[in-house]
Amino acid sequence: SQTIHQWPATLVQPVGSPLSLECTVEGTSNPNLYWYRQAAGRGLQLLFYSVGIGQISSEVPQNLSASRPQDRQFILSSKKLLLSDSGFYLCAWKGLANTGELFFGEGSRLTVL
Amino acid sequence: KQEVTQIPAALSVPEGENLVLNCSFTDSAIYNLQWFRQDPGKGLTSLLLIQSSQREQTSGRLNASLDKSSGRSTLYIAASQPGDSATYLCAPHGQNFVFGPGTRLSVLP
Repeated sequence: SQTIHQWPATLVQPVGSPLSLECTVEGTSNPNLYWYRQAAGRGLQLLFYSVGIGQISSEVPQNLSASRPQDRQFILSSKKLLLSDSGFYLCAWKGLANTGELFFGEGSRLTVL
Repeated sequence: KQEVTQIPAALSVPEGENLVLNCSFTDSAIYNLQWFRQDPGKGLTSLLLIQSSQREQTSGRLNASLDKSSGRSTLYIAASQPGDSATYLCAPHGQNFVFGPGTRLSVLP
């Protein structure tokens, strides 16, 4: 069966520090991968999605970037964090079919101080 | 651009009641629609996926319907239990999944 892992689960970082959140999927090949952010009191916002290795689409211009160095690995990064980057970051995957189901990881809570 | 609304925003009911959660979306060009639940501080758990060609889907005490032409989906929860307390989100899937703001449900024992 397929599983999705995110880490770290919780992170407290100072303003201006770098960020790296990692997501890996097991039990499937060629998944579509997604990074979402859920800010306090707000809905889920799609940040990035990827349909293959090295292929990244950005939905929202911002202080963040994403990379997909391997088929089942998706990384969210920042060179210098802002206070507004605080939130709950969720990785998700879906099979290649347009009719496929979306599955989420447990999330990474980032607090920028 | 797809816009999704969910009514009500919050709901508090006694245990045992049957519930209806509503989801509306503006763009009917979708492949499917998915319902999720989110417990506080957790990721999203998939509940039901309805394909665009289907009218409804059932899983246990949950039943979801889809009327693509009118841009509506309904999640019906039968015989609610305290363990059903969570936020419920719908997400129509067109070019990408777009999430509604959610309905926060509290089921009181």
